[in-house]
Amino acid sequence: DTEVTQTPKHLVMGMTNKKSLKCEQHMGHRAMYWYKQKAKKPPELMFVYSYEKLSINESVPSRFSPECPNSSLLNLHLHALQPEDSALYLCASSQEGQGAGRSNQPQHFGDGTRLSIL
Amino acid sequence: TQLLEQSPQFLSIQEGENLTVYCNSSSVFSSLQWYRQEPGEGPVLLVTVVTGGEVKKLKRLTFQFGDARKDSSLHITAAQPGDTGLYLCAGAGAAGNKLTFGGGTRVLVKP
Repeated sequence: DTEVTQTPKHLVMGMTNKKSLKCEQHMGHRAMYWYKQKAKKPPELMFVYSYEKLSINESVPSRFSPECPNSSLLNLHLHALQPEDSALYLCASSQEGQGAGRSNQPQHFGDGTRLSIL
Repeated sequence: TQLLEQSPQFLSIQEGENLTVYCNSSSVFSSLQWYRQEPGEGPVLLVTVVTGGEVKKLKRLTFQFGDARKDSSLHITAAQPGDTGLYLCAGAGAAGNKLTFGGGTRVLVKP
């Protein structure tokens, strides 16, 4: 079982709906990530939060809105999505190392939310 | 922009055979992580390699980080059907915790 929990596991929504994806970890990790993964492709980074502050936004459209309410939770708010946004959305977390050690912290992934846009 | 090329894209072998997956780049990485992902699940971390020339073994899996920290390989000895999955390499740059993923290698081990 993964230590990063994502809900819901599956989500079907229309293009006019508003929904949220949730991610929770209790490993004390202070870096959290959202990735998008299309079928048979590697994960693509969307957002990175470090100490509950957004540190990286990979030019993601504004119809995706991340939120980090506290050090254990990460949300992704969805509004007015397009059919091409259908994908597996993965959350990950890692320790926040210091200096050169920062890049050596492995990321731990949840099992994802499979999103289908009608 | 750092790029990681993974090869082959797909590998189908019989149980008991050996296989090697390669991950190559023209860029230097501070560390490199290998993951395995099964259908319907998220990637599961297998190993992190940090030092150039480092070799790590995990049961039948052997991971190597190139001396120049630009490439890595994963070798599986006597593959089992349970080794079936998508293998992903991911490199971390010195700038921080952003990972660059390779394109993935889909491994199928037939009984």
